[in-house]
Amino acid sequence: DADVTQTPRNRITKTGKRIMLECSQTKGHDRMYWYRQDPGLGLRLIYYSFDVKDINKGEISDGYSVSRQAQAKFSLSLESAIPNQTALYFCATSDYRVTDTQYFGPGTRLTVL
Amino acid sequence: GNSVTQMEGPVTLSEEAFLTINCTYTATGYPSLFWYVQYPGEGLQLLLKATKADDKGSNKGFEATYRKETTSFHLEKGSVQVSDSAVYFCALSINAGGTSYGKLTFGQGTILTVHP
Repeated sequence: DADVTQTPRNRITKTGKRIMLECSQTKGHDRMYWYRQDPGLGLRLIYYSFDVKDINKGEISDGYSVSRQAQAKFSLSLESAIPNQTALYFCATSDYRVTDTQYFGPGTRLTVL
Repeated sequence: GNSVTQMEGPVTLSEEAFLTINCTYTATGYPSLFWYVQYPGEGLQLLLKATKADDKGSNKGFEATYRKETTSFHLEKGSVQVSDSAVYFCALSINAGGTSYGKLTFGQGTILTVHP
């Protein structure tokens, strides 16, 4: 079984809809991250969480919100999706003892029409 | 601010050719440097890393040396295989205040295609 899982793997939605992307991990890591990947732009950090009570904005947090329901679960929400949020979204985790090595989920491909 | 610049792709090579993917960085403080690889349809996985100047990271025949004087971390492999076809990302993180911050800054990625 994969250590970091994301659901759904693919989603097509319409402008204005609320969408939630979920991430779960079995690695026992305390730190979790959400990134988006766009062609030619690499990965950009949306939000990150160092533990259940510590959530921080990344470089592109506008239009997104997150919830850390438990150490193992970190959800990303788009309250009102817009077409320029069409992208590949990745969740990642790390261990506070080795925080510079991150472990990524398989990604969620989101299309907003 | 911190930034990472990779050579533009895509890069197309024949099997057994020599590979270089250039990466340079700008950072405040003393970064750790990484190469991540993304195979088709998968998430990123760590390929190698180096945490201080002159360190060499290596894995699966790939190597990269942390060059502080040229602010570079170029990825090399002596003989590529078809299975090396993937997207390669250079990245850095800054250790802040003596504790590892953990936030990664990525380059834009370089697509590598290796033909038989």
